[in-house]
Amino acid sequence: KNEVEQSPQNLTAQEGEFITINCSYSVGISALHWLQQHPGGGIVSLFMLSSGKKKHGRLIATINIQEKHSSLHITASHPRDSAVYICAVKEGTGNQFYFGTGTSLTVIP
Amino acid sequence: DAGITQSPRHKVTETGTPVTLRCHQTENHRYMYWYRQDPGHGLRLIHYSYGVKDTDKGEVSDGYSVSRSKTEDFLLTLESATSSQTSVYFCASGGLANEQFFGPGTRLTVL
Repeated sequence: KNEVEQSPQNLTAQEGEFITINCSYSVGISALHWLQQHPGGGIVSLFMLSSGKKKHGRLIATINIQEKHSSLHITASHPRDSAVYICAVKEGTGNQFYFGTGTSLTVIP
Repeated sequence: DAGITQSPRHKVTETGTPVTLRCHQTENHRYMYWYRQDPGHGLRLIHYSYGVKDTDKGEVSDGYSVSRSKTEDFLLTLESATSSQTSVYFCASGGLANEQFFGPGTRLTVL
């Protein structure tokens, strides 16, 4: 089983700050998924990546396969970014995803 | 986002009763998944399906069964609900590109 660890568990930031959320995993993977869960429960896909870097608006996701590590960055954070951010990994040719416990982000106006 | 719905959205039941949760997707995705989400744990896979009538167990499958008779529907059954199965249940679906799309969740309380 792939052990997925996220840091920090909780994060409070002032509006406008640059935010980084980290994800480390223990076994080589074929894909890594960043998800966002707002209060009230809905889970939304942010990024799916297997190498390099992806950008969507103010969100940037990077992955370092050799170091088994991924980061999610939020530039110019806004209160609407307040949510739980979840990292999930998929191993090799398997069909299962393994999830971190999430990082709870609160952005204060 | 993919069209994925779950029913019911909330359910309260008693220990020992059977419960069936339904997941319905309109994206013709091959893969479908059932997860449970509990405080202090990440999402944990209960069962998944890689095609009609093709299913496999996840890491927390004890006490649960699934069925997939059509591409769009994936049912999760608790044959005899226990209090430890009180949780929020999420269904997800995905195609060959690995990305998963999640349903809105079902909050199940077993008294």
